[in-house]
Amino acid sequence: EPEVTQTPSHQVTQMGQEVILRCVPISNHLYFYWYRQILGQKVEFLVSFYNNEISEKSEIFDDQFSVERPDGSNFTLKIRSTKLEDSAMYFCASSPGQGSGAYEQYFGPGTRLTVT
Amino acid sequence: AQKVTQAQTEISVVEKEDVTLDCVYETRDTTYYLFWYKQPPSGELVFLIRRNSFDEQNEISGRYSWNFQKSTSSFNFTITASQVVDSAVYFCALGTSYNTDKLIFGTGTRLQVFP
Repeated sequence: EPEVTQTPSHQVTQMGQEVILRCVPISNHLYFYWYRQILGQKVEFLVSFYNNEISEKSEIFDDQFSVERPDGSNFTLKIRSTKLEDSAMYFCASSPGQGSGAYEQYFGPGTRLTVT
Repeated sequence: AQKVTQAQTEISVVEKEDVTLDCVYETRDTTYYLFWYKQPPSGELVFLIRRNSFDEQNEISGRYSWNFQKSTSSFNFTITASQVVDSAVYFCALGTSYNTDKLIFGTGTRLQVFP
């Protein structure tokens, strides 16, 4: 069964460093998303991406964040200068955008980001 | 404003008991979608069900059932004859029909099933 994959599973970085989190969405899906979950808290929407551009972003997604789909398969989240409060689990998700399951978002296993 | 409330922070049951997880949502949209996701201790988010706002039929899948009531803006989830493997955090989420379809999650309910 197709699934969303994410790498790395765990990333440790120092404050101020840049990190890139990688995701491979399900191949025929059209919508891509990043969410984050601070430990023990709810899952929060960061950004959605469709047709090679950002559809919507939350107030969390400030100038330090960017997303890219550099090729036909990868979807990346870059944090330019990490802060301690960026420590969280980051989930990538994708949805078909069409058909009977158009709005079903399937999540990857997450990347745990630890900023020290 | 859109909001999802899961008032139950944690529920503990003994195996084979039935348990219902509550979810109440707020939205001004006339078309929307409701979801339940399971987050086991390993951390991934597992899709369980999507329900459209225009389809109020209840659904049963094995030991899982969902009760959608528009009149009370609720989308409750019942596990029948719970098992230890059901132990997880369960999130209810709300999505709209707009092009972004972002999901708004509730705070989750931690279910612990003891043998």
